[in-house]
Amino acid sequence: DQQVKQNSPSLSVQEGRISILNCDYTNSMFDYFLWYKKYPAEGPTFLISISSIKDKNEDGRFTVFLNKSAKHLSLHIVPSQPGDSAVYFCAASPAGGTSYGKLTFGQGTILTVHP
Amino acid sequence: EPEVTQTPSHQVTQMGQEVILRCVPISNHLYFYWYRQILGQKVEFLVSFYNNEISEKSEIFDDQFSVERPDGSNFTLKIRSTKLEDSAMYFCASSEAGVGPQYFGPGTRLTVT
Repeated sequence: DQQVKQNSPSLSVQEGRISILNCDYTNSMFDYFLWYKKYPAEGPTFLISISSIKDKNEDGRFTVFLNKSAKHLSLHIVPSQPGDSAVYFCAASPAGGTSYGKLTFGQGTILTVHP
Repeated sequence: EPEVTQTPSHQVTQMGQEVILRCVPISNHLYFYWYRQILGQKVEFLVSFYNNEISEKSEIFDDQFSVERPDGSNFTLKIRSTKLEDSAMYFCASSEAGVGPQYFGPGTRLTVT
């Protein structure tokens, strides 16, 4: 199942710089997108979401951009902090039908922020 | 801050045994979910539950699996006869609305021997 893909398994960034995590999807029925952060031995923690009627959503240091025509979304973290080091997952779901709550996840990107 | 809780954190069982994984969703949430993550693989959707019935289930969620909301606070996942390939982290999640952020519990690590 490759409906949601995160092509970069890992990303290394210096503290204070921008982290950009990317995600591509293939299912045109997806219209609600989320980013989660996960530490080892913990559950995914919700960070930020965006619906397909918008192309940008911002919450503090986190901004998600959605390009529907390219079926691409990205998460920007500015400025990056060492505590941001974790696995980041993007997830997508349809907003209608019976599958509205069914999240499809990407494989995750390991972000390491160096002091 | 309200959170989803899950028990036990780790369950070891023998193949063929029944297991029940328990979850307490966030109290004002109405939508409940189970996901699993096999080691090294993606987080996979198992089932969604709303208004005391299953809304959607994946191909993984066969007759060996069942879910229940036995009272106003708990949400359980039962595996009737466990297989080796059921070994995974099982995450419970809940959400206030059908389309909206889902909040995950810490997971139960199920090991089938």
